[in-house]
Amino acid sequence: DAKTTQPPSMDCAEGRAANLPCNHSTISGNEYVYWYRQIHSQGPQYIIHGLKNNETNEMASLIITEDRKSSTLILPHATLRDTAVYYCIVRAPQGGSEKLVFGKGTKLTVNP
Amino acid sequence: KAGVTQTPRYLIKTRGQQVTLSCSPISGHRSVSWYQQTPGQGLQFLFEYFSETQRNKGNFPGRFSGRQFSNSRSEMNVSTLELGDSALYLCASSLVAGGQVNEQFFGPGTRLTVL
Repeated sequence: DAKTTQPPSMDCAEGRAANLPCNHSTISGNEYVYWYRQIHSQGPQYIIHGLKNNETNEMASLIITEDRKSSTLILPHATLRDTAVYYCIVRAPQGGSEKLVFGKGTKLTVNP
Repeated sequence: KAGVTQTPRYLIKTRGQQVTLSCSPISGHRSVSWYQQTPGQGLQFLFEYFSETQRNKGNFPGRFSGRQFSNSRSEMNVSTLELGDSALYLCASSLVAGGQVNEQFFGPGTRLTVL
């Protein structure tokens, strides 16, 4: 699975958009970009995933560059409850494993 | 529908003891994965079970083992506990529909403290 690079921490004002970047320059053609987040002392929570098109769901939007070497997770109106560690993970759908490889993620702090 | 449940939520053991942790996946999910989370190493994959068979294993010593039952519930066991085994142990379940990208649903974890 391709490795990802994320900033260790970011701050965002409540009500503003939070834009979390992720670099995955060695991504392969069949690898998806997944985002999970982990609120303190809880299990990680799935947010969104995409292959090459931009994706949006009720939680967030995922913007993937045309060359697929980087992506941005957007929380359109961040709230205090969005304070968490956000993990960007790249992996191919595998028939033989559901393994996720977590990096250190980005600790997002939403400030009032 | 009910989420992934893990029991117990907290556990205190002493060095040399063994421990068994339990995970009940979301109904219908056939894959159960286990992860260890520590401040120093972060989230690390332990192993995954699918249809009662271990089909992937992380880089952990043989003291860490697991199994899955016919109802997809899973247990993991750690024998001869060491201080370094103190961690949050997370279980995740996944539907595993062939060829599709599956999201994983995590439980709240079991906080193990080894004294």
